[in-house]
Amino acid sequence: GQSLEQPSEVTAVEGAIVQINCTYQTSGFYGLSWYQQHDGGAPTFLSYNALDGLEETGRFSSFLSRSDSYGYLLLQELQMKDSASYFCAVSGIYTGGFKTIFGAGTRLFVKA
Amino acid sequence: DTEVTQTPKHLVMGMTNKKSLKCEQHMGHRAMYWYKQKAKKPPELMFVYSYEKLSINESVPSRFSPECPNSSLLNLHLHALQPEDSALYLCASSQTAGLANRETQYFGPGTRLLVL
Repeated sequence: GQSLEQPSEVTAVEGAIVQINCTYQTSGFYGLSWYQQHDGGAPTFLSYNALDGLEETGRFSSFLSRSDSYGYLLLQELQMKDSASYFCAVSGIYTGGFKTIFGAGTRLFVKA
Repeated sequence: DTEVTQTPKHLVMGMTNKKSLKCEQHMGHRAMYWYKQKAKKPPELMFVYSYEKLSINESVPSRFSPECPNSSLLNLHLHALQPEDSALYLCASSQTAGLANRETQYFGPGTRLLVL
């Protein structure tokens, strides 16, 4: 089966940098995605890593190490609007076909 | 246009009712998904359609019946639901189901379902 682990909660202050880690156990791995979800909203795509290394998109960066089955999401210059849940998700070919499996999510609280 | 639309936004139904959830995308995506999400939990995959054919059913009870009439539309027919089925039902689409280099999933706003 597949399993993902990420911290349940992280708190940081406005303007700071925060890193949300994700470790996974899976076979048939294609890539690691990150999604943001505000309370009452739908998940929105942030980033995707298929290869080792860092991907940067504005204030958000995501890193993947396939050999360590590990990735992280880095949020810089935190803003209050970044308070949300962040899900890492693994995609790959599993029993039945191609799937994306979500981790339990990390609730980020940004304080003034 | 990167929008996935879902109707209705909210639905209240009794355990004997029959209702349908609708999802639409016009991005030319050939993979569409239904997820169920309970409060403070991650989205849980229910069904995957790839090129209008059901490719994955995650052992979902038969009271949930998906349908993909064409490449832009996805329905979820509901019948004889239980109160524990109350949740946010999310539709998503992606370019393909695993064939593209980057499988970004675009989510609709969801239908918040309450079963009484």
